[in-house]
Amino acid sequence: EAGVAQSPRYKIIEKRQSVAFWCNPISGHATLYWYQQILGQGPKLLIQFQNNGVVDDSQLPKDRFSAERLKGVDSTLKIQPAKLEDSAVYLCASRLGGYITDTQYFGPGTRLTVL
Amino acid sequence: GENVEQHPSTLSVQEGDSAVIKCTYSDSASNYFPWYKQELGKGPQLIIDIRSNVGEKKDQRIAVTLNKTAKHFSLHITETQPEDSAVYFCAAYGSSNTGKLIFGQGTTLQVKP
Repeated sequence: EAGVAQSPRYKIIEKRQSVAFWCNPISGHATLYWYQQILGQGPKLLIQFQNNGVVDDSQLPKDRFSAERLKGVDSTLKIQPAKLEDSAVYLCASRLGGYITDTQYFGPGTRLTVL
Repeated sequence: GENVEQHPSTLSVQEGDSAVIKCTYSDSASNYFPWYKQELGKGPQLIIDIRSNVGEKKDQRIAVTLNKTAKHFSLHITETQPEDSAVYFCAAYGSSNTGKLIFGQGTTLQVKP
């Protein structure tokens, strides 16, 4: 079974530039998550989708971050404009269904450096 | 708000020794507690989990214990091996049933050969 795919793996940009990350979840997984992991910390949820609907985006900085999951499959996360404090690893995860005991499977992440 | 505290932040043991990582959570309604292992350059991977109606669960060299009254849960690794070296995260699901995981800050485990 293929895992969660993310691209790019690394990205370096200047502050105030824009950047986009892509995630392809495990086939058939209805729930998709984007997390931000700052160096030395645990992942922090940014947004959760159930199919193509948003379930939780309470911690998404909506003035600069946006995410979409068209057709309920893959997803993109965008930052516009980026700030220095956005430097982090952005992890995508997916889960099969609605049971909380369903495992969340994580992708390898995209490491973003904002200069 | 919901919070998970994890200790220690770093842990160094000799190969063959045991390692214990402890977490506390704030939301008394939390009912599911997974543990993740994250190797360098990779995403977190689930290694074991426990539900609130169970006090202990074992899987080979790994065990997890839960004390709901004290809101504590712990990861125990016995007979540690160099390949156990990684960052370990505890997590708790909140009571919202949306599947939102709250992660601890992580423990960097180093197993010395």
